[in-house]
Amino acid sequence: KAGVTQTPRYLIKTRGQQVTLSCSPISGHRSVSWYQQTPGQGLQFLFEYFSETQRNKGNFPGRFSGRQFSNSRSEMNVSTLELGDSALYLCASSHQGGTNEKLFFGSGTQLSVL
Amino acid sequence: SQQGEEDPQALSIQEGENATMNCSYKTSINNLQWYRQNSGRGLVHLILIRSNEREKHSGRLRVTLDTSKKSSSLLITASRAADTASYFCATDAGSSYKLIFGSGTRLLVRP
Repeated sequence: KAGVTQTPRYLIKTRGQQVTLSCSPISGHRSVSWYQQTPGQGLQFLFEYFSETQRNKGNFPGRFSGRQFSNSRSEMNVSTLELGDSALYLCASSHQGGTNEKLFFGSGTQLSVL
Repeated sequence: SQQGEEDPQALSIQEGENATMNCSYKTSINNLQWYRQNSGRGLVHLILIRSNEREKHSGRLRVTLDTSKKSSSLLITASRAADTASYFCATDAGSSYKLIFGSGTRLLVRP
């Protein structure tokens, strides 16, 4: 089985731009979670999707949004980028998304905002 | 805010020694998980322990959970250079669909 695939691997944007990151979960997994990782704040939960529905959301401004498609692939969007949005964005998938399941992570998208 | 806090923040040991990392959390949990991250990569699941379990083993890994103290520990025995990575605990804080990660312990195993 292929693992979790995130594209692109690296992105460089300038302040004020918007960006879309993509995540393809493991085949058969219906839950996708997104995390932001920075040296200062560590791993912060962004949101979790299951069957195209957002079930949980972290403490991020409305500039951060996401969606999930019927094939379980997910995208997250950040609008009006700020310097502080520079981070490694990780997505993870699991079968049902319960916390009694292990998460399978992608390699992440490294976003740099200049 | 972080639910779990790992201690120590960094640990440097010689190959062959044991490494112990601790995780403390604030609110009641259903499950606690440990993950490893090699530099700049995605996380890899190591072990899951449920709130009604006290200890779990997987190969060279041993995890304990003390819900009365709201703490867990990860022991890696006979460490290898390949164990060099950051280790994170993750808890659910009673939530069904959200895992919250701690700040991590950076482990360096010197050959």
